[in-house]
This record gives sequence, C-alpha cells and structure tokens, in this order.
Amino acid sequence: RKEVEQDPGPFNVPEGATVAFNCTYSNSASQSFFWYRQDCRKEPKLLMSVYSSGNEDGRFTAQLNRASQYISLLIRDSKLSDSATYLCVVRPNTGNQFYFGTGTSLTVIP
Amino acid sequence: GAGVSQTPSNKVTEKGKYVELRCDPISGHTALYWYRQSLGQGPEFLIYFQGTGAADDSGLPNDRFFAVRPEGSVSTLKIQRTERGDSAVYLCASSFASGGPGDTQYFGPGTRLTVL
Repeated sequence: RKEVEQDPGPFNVPEGATVAFNCTYSNSASQSFFWYRQDCRKEPKLLMSVYSSGNEDGRFTAQLNRASQYISLLIRDSKLSDSATYLCVVRPNTGNQFYFGTGTSLTVIP
Repeated sequence: GAGVSQTPSNKVTEKGKYVELRCDPISGHTALYWYRQSLGQGPEFLIYFQGTGAADDSGLPNDRFFAVRPEGSVSTLKIQRTERGDSAVYLCASSFASGGPGDTQYFGPGTRLTVL
C-alpha cells in the first residue's frame, strides 16, 4: 500500500469555481503534512503546511482529519493561474523521509 | 536570497555511462534530499543527508546509485552504468531540519536525465 494516495484527476473546472482535493495516508503516526504545487516541467513549491486545527491562506484552505487519515485542500474562486498539479506530502514522526502523492492535476478553464 | 541550484539542467547520456548530478542547497540548510520524479508521478525519495552523513539512503534503488556531501553543503548524486530506466528528473531539496512540523523543503529546478 502506498504511503500517500491521491486522485490524479484531471480536474477541469471553470474560473470562479470551488474545487477540493483529498489525500489519504497510511501511517497513523505521521507528523507533518503539506500541500505542494508543481507547474509543468518545474520543481514543486510549497503551497501550505497543514495544521491539526486546519488553516487558511487567502483562497486556499487545508484541513487534516487524523481519525480518517486524510488531508484536504479547498480552492475557492479558482483562477486560471491555479492550473497546476497539487502534491500531497506526509512526513512520519520517525525519520526524515517525506512521502509524496502522485499529484492531482487541476486545469481552470476560462 | 539564492535558492537551491542544480547542475546540469539537462543531461543526455548513453546506456552504460557514468553521470554525476550536482546540488547546491540553500545556505544554512543542514538537511539535503535527493528525489527522482518520473512522468505522471510524485517525487520518489532517494537519500537524505544531515550534514555530511547520509542519514537515510533507503530509497536508493540499487548499488549503481551513490551520493556524497563531503563538506555538508554541495551534494553529488552519482549513477554508474546508467540504464534507460534511470531516465527521470532528479530533484534536490534542502531544509533547516529543525525536526518540527514547520520544517519544510525547498526544491531545486531539477536535472532532467535522459539515458539513450
């Protein structure tokens, strides 16, 4: 079983739409959670960390559900510039490995 | 400030050849990671350095792969007897390695390796 699983999509949404991605992780002892954004042929860049209480950064909201072992990312009022692949990242509480999901592809359509 | 840099940006080689990929992390970052990313996949962990030592090399696929970080800064990933299946983007990342939940990684632009 993979450490981190994501629906690869693609998600095609119109501008202004709200879209949500989920990601599940297998290690219940995981400590840290992140969402990264990756544009085509570019490196991953940190979008936001995910805290236990949930957190928001502008149009982006991340939530963590430890009981069900999933994290989510909600994007409100989608912009064309949000088109990218969104990678879910989990770090266990032992060791320093970061586990990446396969990514979810988002295309925002005019 | 300067981010993580990687050289070369692209490398084309022939099957069986030896290649070296270089990573220059953000100044002050003690942790350095190498990943491999194939098309349509997320980054796959290869090796992690804390300072000069390889703290975790469990992701290296076989003994053709080796990495060093002799002075605790620049790292080199070395691949011997390259195979076509080694073709991928090799990403390097660094972090402060504070150990806390805010310890995030910053990635370099990657080296695209193509083995013919």
